[in-house]
Amino acid sequence: EIVLTQSPGTLSLSPGERASLSCRASHTVRSDYLVWYQQKPGQAPRLVIYGASSRATDIPDRFSGSGSGTDFTLTISRLEPEDFAVYYCQLFGSSPMYIFGQGTKLEIK
Amino acid sequence: QLQLQESGPGLVKPSGTLSLTCAVSGDSISSNNWWNWVRQTPGKGLEWIGEIHHTGSASGTTNYNPSLMSRVTISLDKSRNQSSLKLNSVTAADTAVYYCARVPGGCSATSCFFDPWGQGTLVTVSS
Repeated sequence: EIVLTQSPGTLSLSPGERASLSCRASHTVRSDYLVWYQQKPGQAPRLVIYGASSRATDIPDRFSGSGSGTDFTLTISRLEPEDFAVYYCQLFGSSPMYIFGQGTKLEIK
Repeated sequence: QLQLQESGPGLVKPSGTLSLTCAVSGDSISSNNWWNWVRQTPGKGLEWIGEIHHTGSASGTTNYNPSLMSRVTISLDKSRNQSSLKLNSVTAADTAVYYCARVPGGCSATSCFFDPWGQGTLVTVSS
């Protein structure tokens, strides 16, 4: 069974700074199936990146995704106040079919 | 605009059955999409429950998380354009926010993701 480990658990940064969030898989995975979601308090997760590097509709270009194999990164180039949230990576794999990381909380420093 | 809306009892007794529906607007439940259920707890985070597609049999084709498979049933009501989730023999560990979500077009060779999600509904298991 594949496990997704996100780091750090909490990232404290200021608006305007650059954020790098990591998602590491326990085994080599298909990049096509690596996804990132943003979740704000009281809201459902929102698709940000799919296929490891493709931005979802209406996602600003300050968000980018990269990586392959076992290591993936979500980068936010210049943080805006609305970007502070919890971010989850997710993978479509074998059984169970959809796996989530435990999340990284991006908070205002 | 596609919208998903979960509904159902917010309180279920231990050993009882959790029953939720997901009303779909802006798309047909009989389109080429997989309709999923995901739950979220503070302790375990996001957990995939299962999914259904309208083809394959009269009741559709389902896939379930092996850890929940023995207790879960997901079905479609085409007349009401909604998906349903039943989870039986519930315990306090099943207390969570339950979401429905769509995998558009299913998992292709190049992508697989949940979009959109419903707003979620909190279900508490307690006597």
